[in-house]
Amino acid sequence: AQKVTQAQTEISVVEKEDVTLDCVYETRDTTYYLFWYKQPPSGELVFLIRRNSFDEQNEISGRYSWNFQKSTSSFNFTITASQVVDSAVYFCALSEALIGANSKLTFGKGITLSVRP
Amino acid sequence: GAGVSQTPSNKVTEKGKYVELRCDPISGHTALYWYRQSLGQGPEFLIYFQGTGAADDSGLPNDRFFAVRPEGSVSTLKIQRTERGDSAVYLCASTPTSGSTDTQYFGPGTRLTVL
Repeated sequence: AQKVTQAQTEISVVEKEDVTLDCVYETRDTTYYLFWYKQPPSGELVFLIRRNSFDEQNEISGRYSWNFQKSTSSFNFTITASQVVDSAVYFCALSEALIGANSKLTFGKGITLSVRP
Repeated sequence: GAGVSQTPSNKVTEKGKYVELRCDPISGHTALYWYRQSLGQGPEFLIYFQGTGAADDSGLPNDRFFAVRPEGSVSTLKIQRTERGDSAVYLCASTPTSGSTDTQYFGPGTRLTVL
């Protein structure tokens, strides 16, 4: 069975601080996808990134960066120079990667990030 | 283009009543997913449609829950004899093809409150 653990439940930082959101996953699949979604107060889940299990390269997109470590089954997310607009709940998720199969997402419980001005 | 839309945005009902929640996926998307998000939790999978058929309904909690997608586009999640424990946000997502290599894009959800 697949499982995603987001041990941090709430994080509060002051604007311009860097913050890292942790994600640890469990799966028996050799091929899988990892995701991060953002859920602002409006409630809609916003896709941030998808990473294939065969691609361990770290990725940077503006102030966002992701560190995928297969050896520790972790997919951590760092926001550099945080801003108030980054305040939201962030979910890490996992899915199988089989063509034609149900790629239902298994989500963690989410991390509530509050960025104070 | 237009994203996934869900109606109503909020639904308040009384215990024992029947409700229908609607999802309109992104045009042309063949795969559609329903999830349920309880307060303080991540979304949990309910059912997956590939075209008109429910390819995986293993996440439906019991037989009070049913979903259809008769023309392969709009889907309706139906809950009979609602219970207070059904209160949650019901999310819908769609992907262009079979879903396994595509990213799921979510709608804004329907917040269901059962009194």
